[in-house]
Parts: sequence; C-alpha cells; structure tokens
Amino acid sequence: GAVVSQHPSRVICKSGTSVKIECRSLDFQATTMFWYRQFPKQSLMLMATSNEGSKATYEQGVEKDKFLINHASLTLSTLTVTSAHPEDSSFYICSARTVNGELFFGEGSRLTVL
Amino acid sequence: QKEVEQNSGPLSVPEGAIASLNCTYSDRGSQSFFWYRQYSGKSPELIMFIYSNGDKEDGRFTAQLNKASQYVSLLIRDSQPSDSATYLCAVILGGNTPLVFGKGTRLSVIA
Repeated sequence: GAVVSQHPSRVICKSGTSVKIECRSLDFQATTMFWYRQFPKQSLMLMATSNEGSKATYEQGVEKDKFLINHASLTLSTLTVTSAHPEDSSFYICSARTVNGELFFGEGSRLTVL
Repeated sequence: QKEVEQNSGPLSVPEGAIASLNCTYSDRGSQSFFWYRQYSGKSPELIMFIYSNGDKEDGRFTAQLNKASQYVSLLIRDSQPSDSATYLCAVILGGNTPLVFGKGTRLSVIA
C-alpha cells in the first residue's frame, strides 16, 4: 500500500514550547491530509482536514491558533503544536488520501509535554 | 450526527477459529467502509475496504456490507495470536469528507 511517513515518532518537550510534526506521502500525491489525535484507549479523533494550498478546516473544539497546520505541497503537511501544555500530550497521527479514496496513516507521533 | 458503533470487546477467540467483528453506522448516505487494525502504541493500518453490498474477500479476511441494515462486518478466518489487536471500523460519506471512526473492538486470539 501507499506509504505515509511521519516525523518525529516520539518527542518530549517542556511546557510552553512549540513542536512541529511532519507528514509526508512518499509515493503518491495527497491533495488532502487529515490530522487525528488519539488518547490512551480512545478512538481516533479528527482534528483538522488539510488541503494543499488552502487553509485547514478544523473540527469543533480544536483551537486553530494552537494547532497550526500547513499543507505546503502535495506531499507534505505539518502540524505545529504551539505553547504545548501537559494536556496536549497525546498520539498524533496524520493520514493521506489517495486518488482512489483509500486513507493511509503515518506511523504516528507520540508527544509528551512535561 | 454521524456515528459509527462498535462493541469495544474484548472479543476472545481460540487460535484457528473465525473472529467476527461488527460495526453499525448511522448515516445512510455513507458510501465507503474501511477496516483498520491497530496494535497497541502503533498507528492504524488498512486491512481492507468495501463499497458495494455483499462480501469482499482478501486472504483470511472477508468484509461484509449490508447497506439496508447499515452494518459492516469483518471476518478473520484461521485466527492467529498475531491478529490480536484493536480493529477500527471507519465510514466515509464520499468525496473529500473525512473518515468517521468507531471506537474499535479489541480482539484477543488465544493460543
């Protein structure tokens, strides 16, 4: 299947700092990427939909000024958690959709905010 | 409100048996249906997808879709301990809309 690469896989940061997570579709162009967050033993919760060349669409309750999403090219989307706090600690997963509609996930990024 | 419902489990089956995982969805306009497997601490991986009513087979996996009853199921034949994971059902309305995920069913295959 298609490959989606996410980096970093694990990051630990101090409270108040910002963290950037990258999501790349390696062998296909993804006009749309999705960012999910998953807390322990919970399902994936969609945070935002990222469209190449336009502003991201955020789900209700997700602060767009806190979770900055940039989809600069057809193969790269980034999520920046600004001024991270311990409650932002979670497993962040990106996904990219192929032209056939299949959705493939990155490996996920586990963020721990101290 | 779009909802995807799954029994959280755990569903325990002996090695070699058939595991049956079920999922119901609320939006009758849903068009595409996906099954993902997620191991603890890992990202979901796509097992298979189905668009049309009926069965779709891929190796040991069979997806079954019944749009009239609004349910989709996943059968795993000859279950192996390595199949032990959480299985996520996901539904999409179509176009460029995002997937809506169920909370997942935890499967445990006992050797």
